[in-house]
Amino acid sequence: DTEVTQTPKHLVMGMTNKKSLKCEQHMGHRAMYWYKQKAKKPPELMFVYSYEKLSINESVPSRFSPECPNSSLLNLHLHALQPEDSALYLCASSQISGTRGIIQYFGAGTRLSVL
Amino acid sequence: AQSVTQLGSHVSVSEGALVLLRCNYSSSVPPYLFWYVQYPNQGLQLLLKYTSAATLVKGINGFEAEFKKSETSFHLTKPSAHMSDAAEYFCAVSRPGNQFYFGTGTSLTVIP
Repeated sequence: DTEVTQTPKHLVMGMTNKKSLKCEQHMGHRAMYWYKQKAKKPPELMFVYSYEKLSINESVPSRFSPECPNSSLLNLHLHALQPEDSALYLCASSQISGTRGIIQYFGAGTRLSVL
Repeated sequence: AQSVTQLGSHVSVSEGALVLLRCNYSSSVPPYLFWYVQYPNQGLQLLLKYTSAATLVKGINGFEAEFKKSETSFHLTKPSAHMSDAAEYFCAVSRPGNQFYFGTGTSLTVIP
């Protein structure tokens, strides 16, 4: 099983709302990632968790708050977003890097629209 | 620093023609290399991966890629394009330290 499950698939929220994106994997991966992707652009890394601890934050605004409650789950809490935050949000997971690199497995994404 | 370069942001081919999407990497050590496909309004799907087991890698949907160290290339090919191949294709590389880098992407159009 190489599946990463993301919910919801679509989300529409106002600028004053609070919502959360959820990501789940059962491959025993101990690294999990959040990416943001705008149309016709490559995914941009937002956060990396290694062994349930935040290891990389790519200078993401504080209105995005990640959480990794256990080794299988990754959340992204959203609050006071701006219309320019509308994008596809992708979750990925991998083994912790060895000497050569990693293989990342991606979920199908959550399409977020901020009104 | 850019670790993979995709030449050609847009490629158009006729249905039944050869598909060639180019990717070059920059590394002194052979990395892990990947091709992902993204269909409209969908997430990323792994097409194939190079992890040094074999230089010619076969993937899903009839795609394959050849790792050429002398040219630092990992081009994606398919002998005969199908309408359903129209999508965005991303080359990617991973390095130690949980680092993963995408190319800028190539949009493939298939002309009937």
